[in-house]
Order: sequence, then structure tokens, then C-alpha cells
Amino acid sequence: EIVLTQSPDFQSVTPKEKVTITCRASQSIGSSLHWYQQKPDQSPKLLIKYASQSISGVPSRFSGSGSGTDFTLTINSLEAEDAAAYYCHQSSSLPWTFGQGTKVEIK
Amino acid sequence: QVQLQESGPGLVKPSQTLSLTCTVSGGSISSGSYYWSWIRQPAGKGLEWIGRIYTSGSTNYNPSLKSRVTISVDTSKNQFSLKLSSVTAADTAVYYCAREAPTKIDYYYYYYMDVWGKGTTVTVSS
Repeated sequence: EIVLTQSPDFQSVTPKEKVTITCRASQSIGSSLHWYQQKPDQSPKLLIKYASQSISGVPSRFSGSGSGTDFTLTINSLEAEDAAAYYCHQSSSLPWTFGQGTKVEIK
Repeated sequence: QVQLQESGPGLVKPSQTLSLTCTVSGGSISSGSYYWSWIRQPAGKGLEWIGRIYTSGSTNYNPSLKSRVTISVDTSKNQFSLKLSSVTAADTAVYYCAREAPTKIDYYYYYYMDVWGKGTTVTVSS
């Protein structure tokens, strides 16, 4: 199975700062990489699909990039409501897998 | 807008079978080329994909759970279900159902999970 490794595991950030989360796949997955946000006691919410495609209703400060094995989620100008765990997910090869998650805390 | 809702017992005894149902509202489970998935998350941990079903009944399972998992669909009730047999404490988790939406790229369909249920907590304990 394809292993997704996120870094960092945890990040404490000041509002308005820029946040960068990376996701590395154990083998090439093309652009079949998606990002989710999960707030405490909520289900995951789709943020970005196919590495860089935006989702209707998601603030424009969230963006994604990458292809092959290396991907990045960027949050420009972090807001307090962005405190959450962020997960990458691959749908290139079954079984689908997720990264271990990155927790973003607001200072 | 399509919504998903998980239901089922919150407490299951060790060695028994966990049974959950996901009810789809706001649209037909049979419309479109969607897959319907189950994912779980132990407390404080990450997400694990369990498996999925197409409305034709075609299934894919995570090899790590394949010997214990059965996913089925009831189109007349607009529901799909999960059965996980021989449960242990390690199966204690929040269980989510989700819809996998397709995107056609070249000649192939690729999927992403666009709609999730709110999740239901299942505890395995005697």
C-alpha cells in the first residue's frame, strides 16, 4: 500500500502567518492527492482535490500544489478558525490511505 | 444537497459483529457514478479506510480488514451498511461513512471523498 508521510506533525502558528504542510507519498501517485480539514469532534471536510483544485465554499487562503510524490498544502494568512488537524489522502491505488495528520494550533 | 448519517449500536462486545448503517438523504444512492465508503478513526489517531461499495454491489476492502469486513447496499432504502466481525478493543473508533465522487481523467475514473457523515462512536467492551 502507498504510505503518506506528513510533516510536521504539529505546528503552533500566530494568526496571519503562512502555514505550509507537506505530504510525501511512498511512490508516485500523479495528482490523486486530496486534503481534508478536521476540527475537534467534527468529520473531515474536503479542502483541496487532485493536489491543487479548489473546492467551492473553501476560503481562497487554502491552496495546494505538487505532483508525483511531493505535495504541499498552504494556508495563507492563518485565521483562528483554521485551528484543526489536516490530512492528506491518496486515491491513486487501493487501498486508499491517509497521512498521519498535522495538527495546527493557534498561538 | 446530499447528506449522510451513520447509525448503529454504540457498544459491541468482544468477538461479536459490529453492524452500522449509513443513510443517504437529499439524493438517490443509485444516481451518478459514486462509490460509498466506510472510514474509521480511533480516538486521538488518524483515519483508516475500511472499504467501499458501488451501487452494483461491487466492493473493495482494505486488505488489513478484508477477512472480517462486509459492505452491502440496499438501494430501496437508500442505505449502505458495514459489518465487522470478531471485534476486539482495537476496533473501538469513530466510524464515518462517505461518498466518493468520480473525475474522469483520460480514460480512467479517479475518486475523492466529497461528502462525509458526522460519524458514530463504537466502543468494543464487555
